[in-house]
Amino acid sequence: QVQLQQWGAGLLKPSETLSLTCAVYGGTYNGFYWSWVRQPPGKGLEWIGEINHSGSTNYNPSLKSRVTISLDTSKNQNSLKLTSVTAADTAVYYCARGSGTMVLWGQGTLVTVSS
Amino acid sequence: DIEMTQSPSTLSASVGDRVTITCRASQSISSWLAWYQQKPGKAPNLLIYKASSLESGVPSRFSGSGSGTEFTLTISSLQPDDFATYYCQQYNSYPRTFGQGTKVEIK
Repeated sequence: QVQLQQWGAGLLKPSETLSLTCAVYGGTYNGFYWSWVRQPPGKGLEWIGEINHSGSTNYNPSLKSRVTISLDTSKNQNSLKLTSVTAADTAVYYCARGSGTMVLWGQGTLVTVSS
Repeated sequence: DIEMTQSPSTLSASVGDRVTITCRASQSISSWLAWYQQKPGKAPNLLIYKASSLESGVPSRFSGSGSGTEFTLTISSLQPDDFATYYCQQYNSYPRTFGQGTKVEIK
């Protein structure tokens, strides 16, 4: 059974860089898009961006200047970096498989930005 | 960006009720629309894709319809497991955008 497992630091100070990793277990990495979505506490979903198996990316313009999504196919992993975080970046961050439709999701990581 | 607007924001219903949630897009998205269910503390779960196609493993009481700018998600007979928040999402263009969500509560 294919699963996504994600991890990364859960508590950051303002101006630091958020860094999360998402790994695929039990399935192939190739041929898919891999997305990141976030959800502030008690609020709705926001698409952050995506990367495909060849490394081509698409980002939300609202975050584009601060976001980088990269992949490591040898490890079946992709990573999200978000620079210069503020309290507004406090959210649960999810990785997911898919571009248009996100079929498989990670468990989510709560990232809190606080001084 | 394409703005997605759901109505209502909250819906109170009883087990066995027929429930309909509406999603409107700010411009035509053809049939490039998905519906997700999310329960507290859990990741979203894909229910419907391409406006009306049922994802594998999703109960047949869920159905979707619409095209262009107006879409609906219908639950034909609400079950206890269906009390959750539902989101629509367009994938006609970038950035992908979600509706604000509809919370289905117990009446």
